[in-house]
This record gives sequence, structure tokens and C-alpha cells, in this order.
Amino acid sequence: SQKIEQNSEALNIQEGKTATLTCNYTNYSPAYLQWYRQDPGRGPVFLLLIRENEKEKRKERLKVTFDTTLKQSLFHITASQPADSATYLCALSRRAAGNKLTFGGGTRVLVKP
Amino acid sequence: DAGVIQSPRHEVTEMGQEVTLRCKPISGHDYLFWYRQTMMRGLELLIYFNNNVPIDDSGMPEDRFSAKMPNASFSTLKIQPSEPRDSAVYFCASSFSSGGPMGTDTQYFGPGTRLTVL
Repeated sequence: SQKIEQNSEALNIQEGKTATLTCNYTNYSPAYLQWYRQDPGRGPVFLLLIRENEKEKRKERLKVTFDTTLKQSLFHITASQPADSATYLCALSRRAAGNKLTFGGGTRVLVKP
Repeated sequence: DAGVIQSPRHEVTEMGQEVTLRCKPISGHDYLFWYRQTMMRGLELLIYFNNNVPIDDSGMPEDRFSAKMPNASFSTLKIQPSEPRDSAVYFCASSFSSGGPMGTDTQYFGPGTRLTVL
């Protein structure tokens, strides 16, 4: 069956360091992969989209990679700040699935000052 | 724009009661999505609409769940009868077709409705 896995353990990181999150998938051929941020008590907020033919995408301090051979996406937050503390969700979509997104379980990040 | 609006924000009800969750998408958006989020199962898509027409309801758990979109600015998700296992946070999201490939449009989420069924 299709599976999208994110590290369920919280990631504790010191301010200023780079946080790296993984999103692994099996039995899935996504055409697009999105990353969202979710704060407690709020809905997810879109951060970045990367296509299957793109290796890397950047936005300010965020960087996403997409390796369709490894079936993995990495999400990096460089020069992390306490304000980056949140849960980060990856979401995949397939060409044949219209606008349907399938989300991973999310990874909580805690940046300590 | 006020963003996606959901009501109520919190709902506590007893098993067997009917529950209606409401959503107002962002004006001009042509897609509307209903999700459910729990610790065990994460964020799951229940159903989505395009131009008020249901496109994919394969995530709707069972016949107790129904969703409608009578017009472009309003949608409801109804649970009848409710059960304790329906307790979760229900999110509504909307998106606008930018003309790019399907699956690339940004979804904008509402604040969610926290449902507790006793």
C-alpha cells in the first residue's frame, strides 16, 4: 500500500543550526511534492512546491530536495530560529489524482535559543 | 481577504447526535477540500469539490458522513449519527486553479473545527 513517512520523533535543534527533515514514500509515484508548516491550533500553511524533474528548490532560508530514485525529499531550514518551531508536513500528488494531496504524518521541530 | 472561515471552532456533542461543520472558502477559489486530522492517522482528505461539484469522495469514512457545496461560497460537512471515533480536528481548505498542472496549486487551510464526541 502507499505510504508516506516522516520522522514522528520531534527534532530538537539549537538556534542557528540547520534542521533537516525527511519525507520518504513507498508504492507511490508523485509528480509533485509540497511542504507545509503547521502551528499548534492552526491549519497548515504552504511553504514550497517541488516537481519530479526538479532536484532542488530554495526559498529564503528553506531548501527542498527531491530524489525520485531514493523516493525521498529532504527539507532544510538553515540558520534556524525559535520562530521556526512548528510541525512540518510533506504532501504528495500524482498526475492521475487530480488535485488530491496525500500528507505525511509531520515532524515537529523545536528550535532552542 | 479573511481567508478560509470555518465554524464552529469547537464542537462538543454526544454520541448519536448530528453534527454540521461549515466552511466559507476564499472568494474566487474554485476548489474546496475537507480534511480530518488525528494523532493516529494524521491529515486525511475526506472529499473535494471543483466548481461546487464533488470530484473525489473516496476518503469519506462511511455513510454517516456527507458533504455538500450548494454554492461557491459555502460548504457543509455533516456527520449523522456521530460516534466517539469521529473526534478529530476537521479542516476545510480552498485553492484556485492557476492554469498549471493539477496537484501544483497551493491549498489554503482554515483554522479547523475541533470536534469532540462523548
